[in-house]
Amino acid sequence: GAVVSQHPSWVICKSGTSVKIECRSLDFQATTMFWYRQFPKQSLMLMATSNEGSKATYEQGVEKDKFLINHASLTLSTLTVTSAHPEDSSFYICSARDSLKHEQFFGPGTRLTVL
Amino acid sequence: GENVEQHPSTLSVQEGDSAVIKCTYSDSASNYFPWYKQELGKRPQLIIDIRSNVGEKKDQRIAVTLNKTAKHFSLHITETQPEDSAVYFCAVLLPSGSRLTFGEGTQLTVNP
Repeated sequence: GAVVSQHPSWVICKSGTSVKIECRSLDFQATTMFWYRQFPKQSLMLMATSNEGSKATYEQGVEKDKFLINHASLTLSTLTVTSAHPEDSSFYICSARDSLKHEQFFGPGTRLTVL
Repeated sequence: GENVEQHPSTLSVQEGDSAVIKCTYSDSASNYFPWYKQELGKRPQLIIDIRSNVGEKKDQRIAVTLNKTAKHFSLHITETQPEDSAVYFCAVLLPSGSRLTFGEGTQLTVNP
């Protein structure tokens, strides 16, 4: 399958700081990327849909000013968690859909811990 | 929007037995149905998918069946092995939608 990379794989930060996570599709173009959050033993919760060259679409209950998404190219989307707090600690996973197909592939995830 | 229900939430089988996980969906226009396997702390990985114009698809020990009339699809794993132990998610895509709707997941445990 196609390859999606995500960086960093884990991060620990102090409360109040901002954290930036990168998601890249390595061998295909992705006009649409998705950002999920996953708590232990739970399903994937879609946070927002990121479209190349346009504003992201946020799911209900997700603060767009807190979770900043940028999709500047067909292979890169970034999620910035601003003013992170302990309740933001979670596993964040990006996903990219091949522009030519239905298939959606996931990045390896970023484990965020806010102290 | 689309509603996806997945059952069972946990499934424990003996090595060598078969495992079946079922998902139902609400919107008859849905046309793409992937299954993902997620091991602890890792990314979900696409293991098999099926489109609405096909009733069954098989890949070695894994198969997916789709019943469009009843709006359900199932994952079948035969000759299960301990390394099949993971959480399995079904998902559904509407032709007009840009995103997948996921089921709640099934924790499969294969006992040696």
